[in-house]
Amino acid sequence: AQSVTQLGSHVSVSEGALVLLRCNYSSSVPPYLFWYVQYPNQGLQLLLKYTSAATLVKGINGFEAEFKKSETSFHLTKPSAHMSDAAEYFCAVSLYGNNRLAFGKGNQVVVIP
Amino acid sequence: GAGVSQSPSNKVTEKGKDVELRCDPISGHTALYWYRQSLGQGLEFLIYFQGNSAPDKSGLPSDRFSAERTGGSVSTLTIQRTQQEDSAVYLCASSNRGGQPQHFGDGTRLSIL
Repeated sequence: AQSVTQLGSHVSVSEGALVLLRCNYSSSVPPYLFWYVQYPNQGLQLLLKYTSAATLVKGINGFEAEFKKSETSFHLTKPSAHMSDAAEYFCAVSLYGNNRLAFGKGNQVVVIP
Repeated sequence: GAGVSQSPSNKVTEKGKDVELRCDPISGHTALYWYRQSLGQGLEFLIYFQGNSAPDKSGLPSDRFSAERTGGSVSTLTIQRTQQEDSAVYLCASSNRGGQPQHFGDGTRLSIL
């Protein structure tokens, strides 16, 4: 079964510094991969998704992620952190035609002024 | 525009009682999903509805859980004889086609005493 691993439940980043959240997936077939963001007391918002087109995917709020098959990774980055980026971020995987998403445990991002 | 609406936002009930959670998807969205978010288990898929097709119920944790979607729009998730381990945030999402959830509601926080 497909799954994703997100290391480091809490990530602290200085305002203006690079944001890097790591996601590694496990899948026997090419997967679809997603990043979601969750602000306090809200539902999840789709940041970006990879569906076998371009390997570098650009999303909302200046985030992007790169699919690397050789590393089974889909890391999320943003060049310069903003205070408004403080939230929880989830990586998720599904197989083509499969409507079930398997989520990682999430990264709680804290932005330090 | 209106997003995915869930009610109630919070529900506290006694162990053994039945509860109903409601989801109003975005108008015109044919796909509807229920997920559960808890500290111990993270985000878990529960059930998926797509148009008039038979729902994918494979994520429901026990026969105490059921869901229906009337008229292809509003959905109700019912938990019978609630247990303390049912305490979680129940998230509903919808999308305008099959595949993966695009728009999440803010969830119903369920607490079982």
